[in-house]
Amino acid sequence: GENVEQHPSTLSVQEGDSAVIKCTYSDSASNYFPWYKQELGKGPQLIIDIRSNVGEKKDQRIAVTLNKTAKHFSLHITETQPEDSAVYFCAASKGGAQKLVFGQGTRLTINP
Amino acid sequence: KAGVTQTPRYLIKTRGQQVTLSCSPISGHRSVSWYQQTPGQGLQFLFEYFSETQRNKGNFPGRFSGRQFSNSRSEMNVSTLELGDSALYLCASSLEAVGSDTQYFGPGTRLTVL
Repeated sequence: GENVEQHPSTLSVQEGDSAVIKCTYSDSASNYFPWYKQELGKGPQLIIDIRSNVGEKKDQRIAVTLNKTAKHFSLHITETQPEDSAVYFCAASKGGAQKLVFGQGTRLTINP
Repeated sequence: KAGVTQTPRYLIKTRGQQVTLSCSPISGHRSVSWYQQTPGQGLQFLFEYFSETQRNKGNFPGRFSGRQFSNSRSEMNVSTLELGDSALYLCASSLEAVGSDTQYFGPGTRLTVL
């Protein structure tokens, strides 16, 4: 079955700098790649997603890139702010988003 | 629109007992998925229901079961609880329409098994 690897497990950056989190997936049939942010005591919140027919997608300070050939996708957060501190999860699925396979998560800390 | 709601938010049970968790999806959403989140295993897919039928299933033992009602609300049941079942159980709903299969998560039910 699908396997998703996420790196790094922890990331600490200075406020205003950029943060990059990378994920690789194993199943070439996967075609949907969402990113979720989870704050303490809350459920995961979708922040951006990308489908396999698109190479890059951007939403304000957040962008995601997808390389289907290499089977990896990345989350880029620019101009980081303290409220970006959270755990971020990547995920992959095929044939719709109902059976997501998640990466292990990245704990992002923004230092003021 | 109200988000996904889950009840109860916290639950403490002892080994051998059974538990039922409830999830109300976003209005109009017809697909409900359940996930287990633990520090060691991360987020793992349990099962997904659509139109009262289980459509997808993860790799969990038969002690984990679920159902969906005609109003799309869903319940999951865990029988004969084990210590390792302590986890955050998350429910997610999606619209199930072309181009609109994004999953939206609820806050979860924190289950502690003593």
